Amino acid sequence: NAGVMQNPRHLVRRRGQEARLRCSPMKGHSHVYWYRQLPEEGLKFMVYLQKENIIDESGMPKERFSAEFPKEGPSILRIQQVVRGDSAAYFCASSPGPEAEQFFGPGTRLTVL
Amino acid sequence: GQQLNQSPQSMFIQEGEDVSMNCTSSSIFNTWLWYKQEPGEGPVLLIALYKAGELTSNGRLTAQFGITRKDSFLNISASIPSDVGIYFCAGLRGAGSYQLTFGKGTKLSVIP
Repeated sequence: NAGVMQNPRHLVRRRGQEARLRCSPMKGHSHVYWYRQLPEEGLKFMVYLQKENIIDESGMPKERFSAEFPKEGPSILRIQQVVRGDSAAYFCASSPGPEAEQFFGPGTRLTVL
Repeated sequence: GQQLNQSPQSMFIQEGEDVSMNCTSSSIFNTWLWYKQEPGEGPVLLIALYKAGELTSNGRLTAQFGITRKDSFLNISASIPSDVGIYFCAGLRGAGSYQLTFGKGTKLSVIP
């Protein structure tokens, strides 16, 4: 399966812990996007990365959230000191170019207790 | 920020019926995309529209890019139970844009 892969699919954390979400883009795609979805809502853009570069992080909270897409390995969305309001589904998408169609992974559902 | 308004929010239809849903915006978008999301999964791209006035089909699905570039609709003909899910419209603003703006979705239920 050459689709976008995300893991874990479900993640439970207690308040104050760290959450690490991983995303492997489709083969041949070097552009990765992270979106967040709250219940009963559409997806909201968080950050756009190319290999080793953050292009746009305007949708990401300034505190506690960070993202990277290293030369080797998956893209990581990191949330430090999680709070209950961070509970959501986090989706990664990839594309072959910045204006091309984005294909989504199955998401990571984060629950903060 | 920009918003896409989708309607209806939800619909219940009988199997075999046709379905129509739409998406409007106060701003112009140069690309419209329609996705379907099933429970516990990510959005799956159904149709992409790149030109104002464009009408594109994908099997029983047909979508149109409005002439004003501020709206789009999706039709599903002869619905079947596996059409159940949430349908999202999404837009890209223009050259160099990559931030998808999503509507809140239309939840479709099909009664066998």
